[in-house]
Amino acid sequence: EAGVAQSPRYKIIEKRQSVAFWCNPISGHATLYWYQQILGQGPKLLIQFQNNGVVDDSQLPKDRFSAERLKGVDSTLKIQPAKLEDSAVYLCASSLAPSSYNEQFFGPGTRLTVL
Amino acid sequence: TQLLEQSPQFLSIQEGENLTVYCNSSSVFSSLQWYRQEPGEGPVLLVTVVTGGEVKKLKRLTFQFGDARKDSSLHITAAQPGDTGLYLCAGGRGSQGNLIFGKGTKLSVKP
Repeated sequence: EAGVAQSPRYKIIEKRQSVAFWCNPISGHATLYWYQQILGQGPKLLIQFQNNGVVDDSQLPKDRFSAERLKGVDSTLKIQPAKLEDSAVYLCASSLAPSSYNEQFFGPGTRLTVL
Repeated sequence: TQLLEQSPQFLSIQEGENLTVYCNSSSVFSSLQWYRQEPGEGPVLLVTVVTGGEVKKLKRLTFQFGDARKDSSLHITAAQPGDTGLYLCAGGRGSQGNLIFGKGTKLSVKP
């Protein structure tokens, strides 16, 4: 079974530039999550999708971050414009259903450096 | 804001030693998961505990959920270099699947 795919793996940009990350979840997984993991910290949920609908985006900085999952499969996360403090690893995860009893399967992440 | 505090933050031990890491909160969770994360990779689930007082074993790893479902511990017996990694606990509060992660314990096991 293929895991969660993310691209790119690494991205370096200047502050105020834009960047987009892509995630392809495990086939059949209805729930998709984007997390931000700053160095030395645990992952912080940015947004959760159930199929193509948003379940929770309460911690997403909506003035600069946006995410979509148009067909209920792939998802993109965009930052525009980027700030220095956005430097982090962006992790995508998926699960069969939205329950905290279910396993979340994580991709390898995209490491973003903002200069 | 619910917080999960993990201790210690860093742990460096020799192969063969035993260790325990802790995950504490003032909040009650419906479930608690432990993940291990290696450099350059995403976290991988080790175990999910859901019942207060529950104990689960995974080879040399023993996980316990506190009676009040506010804390958890992970005990590793006879640690091996392959156990090296970042151990994250994550608390869940039910139907939406949201997890709150602790900052993790970075374990290094030297041969």
